[in-house]
Amino acid sequence: QLQLQESGPRLVKSSETLSLTCNVSGVSISNSRYYWGWIRQAPGKGLEWIGTIYYSGSIYYNPSLKGRVTISKQTSKNEFSLRLTSVTAADRAVYFCVRALGATLGGSWFDPWGQGTLVIVSS
Amino acid sequence: DIQMTQSPSSLSASVGDRVTITCQASQDISNDLNWYQQKPGKAPKLLISDVSNLETGVPSRFSGSGSGTHFTFTISSLQPADIATYYCQQYDDLPLTFGGGTKVEIK
Repeated sequence: QLQLQESGPRLVKSSETLSLTCNVSGVSISNSRYYWGWIRQAPGKGLEWIGTIYYSGSIYYNPSLKGRVTISKQTSKNEFSLRLTSVTAADRAVYFCVRALGATLGGSWFDPWGQGTLVIVSS
Repeated sequence: DIQMTQSPSSLSASVGDRVTITCQASQDISNDLNWYQQKPGKAPKLLISDVSNLETGVPSRFSGSGSGTHFTFTISSLQPADIATYYCQQYDDLPLTFGGGTKVEIK
C-alpha cells in the first residue's frame, strides 16, 4: 500500500531555510506514471500547490514562491525533498507531500497525500 | 494563474439533504477539474477526478458535473460522515490551483 510520510524540523527561524523530506513506501518514485510534489495549507486557509517533480527530473514550481523553492529527489532512498529559503511568518503552514497522477505537466490530481506536517516560523 | 472560485464558502444542511457546491474557473478549463474532501485535522482525500470520475471506494452519493468554467459537486443525501471542507482543483494550466473551499456542516 502506498504511503507518504513527511519529516523534518517543525520549527524554522525567520529568514532561514525550511527543509522537509517525504519518504515513499509501496511504489518507486522512479515509476514513470507519477509525479511527486508538495502542497501547503496555512492555518485555517486553503490549499496552495508548491511544485512537483517527475521521475525524469523535470520540475514544476509555483511562480508565487518567487525562486525560493527547490524540490529534489533521492531515488536510492525513495524520497523527495522540499527546500524553501528565506522563510517568513507567511510560510507557516501544514506541508503535505503528495503523489500526482495524470497526463498533464506537473500532474493532474493528487492521491494520496501524506498526513502533513506543521512548520512554524519563529522570529 | 487560473482562479477557482467556490460557493458557498460554508453551508449547513440536514442529514438527508441534497447539497450542491459550485466552482467557477476564471477561464475555460475544459474538463480538467477535481474535487477533494478534507476532514478536520486530516489530509485532503481525492473524491472525484476529471469532473465526474468517482474514485474507487467513494460513495455514490457524491457526484460532479460541468465543463468549461462552471462546475458542480453534489452530495445527494448528506450524511454525518460528510462533514468536511471540500475543494475543487484545476489542472488545465500551471500553476495548479485550488478553490477556496466549502465547509459543510450538519444543521
